[in-house]
Amino acid sequence: DAGVIQSPRHEVTEMGQEVTLRCKPISGHNSLFWYRQTMMRGLELLIYFNNNVPIDDSGMPEDRFSAKMPNASFSTLKIQPSEPRDSAVYFCASSTGGGNEKLFFGSGTQLSVL
Amino acid sequence: GESVGLHLPTLSVQEGDNSIINCAYSNSASDYFIWYKQESGKGPQFIIDIRSNMDKRQGQRVTVLLNKTVKHLSLQIAATQPGDSAVYFCAENLQAGTALIFGKGTTLSVSS
Repeated sequence: DAGVIQSPRHEVTEMGQEVTLRCKPISGHNSLFWYRQTMMRGLELLIYFNNNVPIDDSGMPEDRFSAKMPNASFSTLKIQPSEPRDSAVYFCASSTGGGNEKLFFGSGTQLSVL
Repeated sequence: GESVGLHLPTLSVQEGDNSIINCAYSNSASDYFIWYKQESGKGPQFIIDIRSNMDKRQGQRVTVLLNKTVKHLSLQIAATQPGDSAVYFCAENLQAGTALIFGKGTTLSVSS
């Protein structure tokens, strides 16, 4: 079975540009999570969805960040406009939900904002 | 601040030794704990988990111990191998249906 699939693997962009990160969760998983990883702050939860509905977005840094989950097999995380401090690895993870907390992570998107 | 933390940021061991990675958590109400391994350039990979109604759980070469009295979690790796070199994260679930909260990680280096 394919795991969580993220694209792109690497993204280099200039400050002010819009960035869109994509995620396909494991088929049948009902919960989807976006995390950001930096050396200074470790793995931080940005937002998560249950059955395509955002449950907790308190980790989203500011209004420049937005996430959507239009259907059970796709989610996007958008940064507009991007800033150099957004440079990090962004991970998507999914779980079966319903109280099963074990997360399965994708390979991440390495974002560099110049 | 972080609700989950680690005692040591790095651990160096010799191949064949046993490794112990420690983790402290602050929320006594947390009911689920999990360890992940992250290799360079990859996403975190599940190792083992434990619920708060248990104090020990064993997997293949790994054991997780939970001491609720002092809010301490540890991961023991038996006969550590070079392939075990990675960053290890503990995480806790504060409440059913919420997301995992991760500690900052311990880097394990295994030398031959």
